[in-house]
Amino acid sequence: DAGITQSPRHKVTETGTPVTLRCHQTENHRYMYWYRQDPGHGLRLIHYSYGVKDTDKGEVSDGYSVSRSKTEDFLLTLESATSSQTSVYFCAIPGAGELFFGEGSRLTVL
Amino acid sequence: QQPVQSPQAVILREGEDAVINCSSSKALYSVHWYRQKHGEAPVFLMILLKGGEQKGHEKISASFNEKKQQSSLYLTASQLSYSGTYFCGTETSGSARQLTFGSGTQLTVLP
Repeated sequence: DAGITQSPRHKVTETGTPVTLRCHQTENHRYMYWYRQDPGHGLRLIHYSYGVKDTDKGEVSDGYSVSRSKTEDFLLTLESATSSQTSVYFCAIPGAGELFFGEGSRLTVL
Repeated sequence: QQPVQSPQAVILREGEDAVINCSSSKALYSVHWYRQKHGEAPVFLMILLKGGEQKGHEKISASFNEKKQQSSLYLTASQLSYSGTYFCGTETSGSARQLTFGSGTQLTVLP
């Protein structure tokens, strides 16, 4: 299995508070991705990174920022969480042709 | 734009066959198929590349019609372990692995 872990796995927070999710990989891969998963929408790309300090937006990037200061870590930040950001967040890294997903981080914004 | 999957849900008896379809309005470079069990991460099944051939994985296979930008996933003699939600992911270029996923097909296999 690809070495990819997410933290925290579960988080409950209140509207307006900042939240940071962490994705850690041990595969030394250039590319890392953040997706969110909601019923009826499948997985939607939030942001991705193609190297240290190199990031780009996905299709649902509004309200999210990312940072990558080290190859192994990709952080997703919600500056001021809203109820619409309640979701399951998956980090992913590429393999030979596929994507390997982390276990997911379930975020609830009250 | 998100690829369209059909059907949204299907219920089978063990041993029956199923087909899940994925259609895109864009020219595709590749189509990926993933299966997700409840509460778990999606798991890769197979990838079909433009110009490639039909792929197979035990009793699960898939095809890719480049002219129609459609892919189909075939599950034959389904087993209880096949239950889950199936997603297709489409890629329009060969770089960056930026997949756009369909909304999923929930497959339930009953004994």
